[in-house]
Amino acid sequence: GENVEQHPSTLSVQEGDSAVIKCTYSDSASNYFPWYKQELGKGPQLIIDIRSNVGEKKDQRIAVTLNKTAKHFSLHITETQPEDSAVYFCAASRIGQAGTALIFGKGTTLSVSS
Amino acid sequence: GAVVSQHPSRVICKSGTSVKIECRSLDFQATTMFWYRQFPKQSLMLMATSNEGSKATYEQGVEKDKFLINHASLTLSTLTVTSAHPEDSSFYICSARDRKSPLHFGNGTRLTVT
Repeated sequence: GENVEQHPSTLSVQEGDSAVIKCTYSDSASNYFPWYKQELGKGPQLIIDIRSNVGEKKDQRIAVTLNKTAKHFSLHITETQPEDSAVYFCAASRIGQAGTALIFGKGTTLSVSS
Repeated sequence: GAVVSQHPSRVICKSGTSVKIECRSLDFQATTMFWYRQFPKQSLMLMATSNEGSKATYEQGVEKDKFLINHASLTLSTLTVTSAHPEDSSFYICSARDRKSPLHFGNGTRLTVT
């Protein structure tokens, strides 16, 4: 089955700096890679996702890149703000197969200090 | 956008009792719902996949007789933790999707078994 590795486990940056979180996956059939932000005591919130037919996707300060050959995908947050502080999870699955669940990485705790 | 509602948000129960958690998709029909469990400072671990009108598929190590899942309609799935014990205390999160949408999560249920 799919296995997703996520690094780093913790990341501390100064406000305004960029933050990068990296993930690798094992199943070459996976074709959908979302990123979730989870705040304390709440469920994960989808912040951006990418499908395997695209190499990069951007939404304001957030971007995701995908390297299918290397089975890597990364989350990039620019101009970080204190409200970006949260736990971020990457995930992988095969979209198009309704019964396929997301497999999550272990999470990255991002702390943005002002 | 797609919204998943989960209830209750918190529940405290005595050891040996059963607890039911509801997950509803509010503005779409969820052909598939997934139940995850999350221990403190850990990732989301898939417990089971439920497809409307059929039996749930449980992940290895998850006791189907202890964690009863019912997905009787396209908008409602329930998870019942039977004969709960303190080690069942955790954060339970449901997620739902239809055939086209990405996965959306409820806000989770914090279960504490005393």
